[in-house]
Amino acid sequence: VTQNPRYLITVTGKKLTVTCSQNMNHEYMSWYRQDPGMGLKLIYYSVGAGITDKGEVPNGYNVSRSTTEDFPLRLELAAPSQTSVYFCASIQTGGAYNEQFFGPGTRLTVL
Amino acid sequence: TQLLEQSPQFLSIQEGENLTVYCNSSSVFSSLQWYRQEPGEGPVLLVTVVTGGEVKKLKRLTFQFGDARKDSSLHITAAQPGDTGLYLCAVGGGGFKTIFGAGTRLFVKA
Repeated sequence: VTQNPRYLITVTGKKLTVTCSQNMNHEYMSWYRQDPGMGLKLIYYSVGAGITDKGEVPNGYNVSRSTTEDFPLRLELAAPSQTSVYFCASIQTGGAYNEQFFGPGTRLTVL
Repeated sequence: TQLLEQSPQFLSIQEGENLTVYCNSSSVFSSLQWYRQEPGEGPVLLVTVVTGGEVKKLKRLTFQFGDARKDSSLHITAAQPGDTGLYLCAVGGGGFKTIFGAGTRLFVKA
């Protein structure tokens, strides 16, 4: 799972996109944010191309899934409260249990 | 209130010491996973436990699922600096969603 950029500094009100790609042909992908001491919170997830749904903390974010491989995360109006580390993940399913594969993370600072 | 409570939140120990971290909940789960996250990287799955009372070993790491499937522990024997990281427990949240605990941050000093 690859994410870009790895680091991003922007200002309040800007629009930005973080890309995520996977080459494992996984149908299920998700976006999380990780704040200090808070673990991972699910923002949005997708169960296949053309299908997305809200997670626990979707406000201020948007996603799309036009292909199996790509699942970009968009911030339409960046806010300081969105300063966080963002992780994209894809899930391998079909076995006895599901395994999530995470990208390396994108550290976002909104000034 | 977190669905999964992990303790301790932070642990700093010397190389060679043993330690146990915990993941507790009041809910029953069909399975529970442990991930390790090293600084600057995403979490990596260590193990999945599915049966009450189950014990799984991964080299110096021993994972146990509680008999009632509400809690789990991770024991590390003779910790090494390479064990440093954030240890997260996680459970299914319906469908393919996953819920994570806040994690235990472990620092092993050489």
